[in-house]
Amino acid sequence: EPEVTQTPSHQVTQMGQEVILRCVPISNHLYFYWYRQILGQKVEFLVSFYNNEISEKSEIFDDQFSVERPDGSNFTLKIRSTKLEDSAMYFCASTSSGANVLTFGAGSRLTVL
Amino acid sequence: AQSVTQPDIHITVSEGASLELRCNYSYGATPYLFWYVQSPGQGLQLLLKYFSGDTLVQGIKGFEAEFKRSQSSFNLRKPSVHWSDAAEYFCAVGSFNDYKLSFGAGTTVTVRA
Repeated sequence: EPEVTQTPSHQVTQMGQEVILRCVPISNHLYFYWYRQILGQKVEFLVSFYNNEISEKSEIFDDQFSVERPDGSNFTLKIRSTKLEDSAMYFCASTSSGANVLTFGAGSRLTVL
Repeated sequence: AQSVTQPDIHITVSEGASLELRCNYSYGATPYLFWYVQSPGQGLQLLLKYFSGDTLVQGIKGFEAEFKRSQSSFNLRKPSVHWSDAAEYFCAVGSFNDYKLSFGAGTTVTVRA
């Protein structure tokens, strides 16, 4: 069964450092998402991406965040200067047009010290 | 704005006993409803979904859920739990062609022998 792949599974970084989280969506999917889950809190929507541009973003997704699809397979989330409160599990998801179901990756746990 | 409430933070159930997880949603349009499960160290796996039609939907791993519009609820049930059902369960709401989901806070299920 096709799956969404995320790397790294866990990253520890120092506050102020840049982090790039990587995702390989399912190959025929066109819509891509990042969500995050701070420990003990809800899974929250960050951003959606379609046709090489952001289609929607939440208020969490400020100027410190960016997304990119650098090639035909990868979808990345960059945090330019990490803060302690960025510590969370970050989930990538993808879907195809009309499917109405998101397929999630296993997540990347980010710990900011 | 759409929102999801899962009233039970933690439920403990004996193996072989029945399980019911509650989910209430708030949504102005016709909701698309989902239950996802997150096992320790794993990503979010779709258990089942409701878009329209029969209000009782069957999912994977023996789970089912019932949509009750009058109660704005979408409760998840399993007649007989297995130790492997210990996980965190998330209810989520979206809409047609809106792949941005709103998640509940999750319910952690512990299964005792």
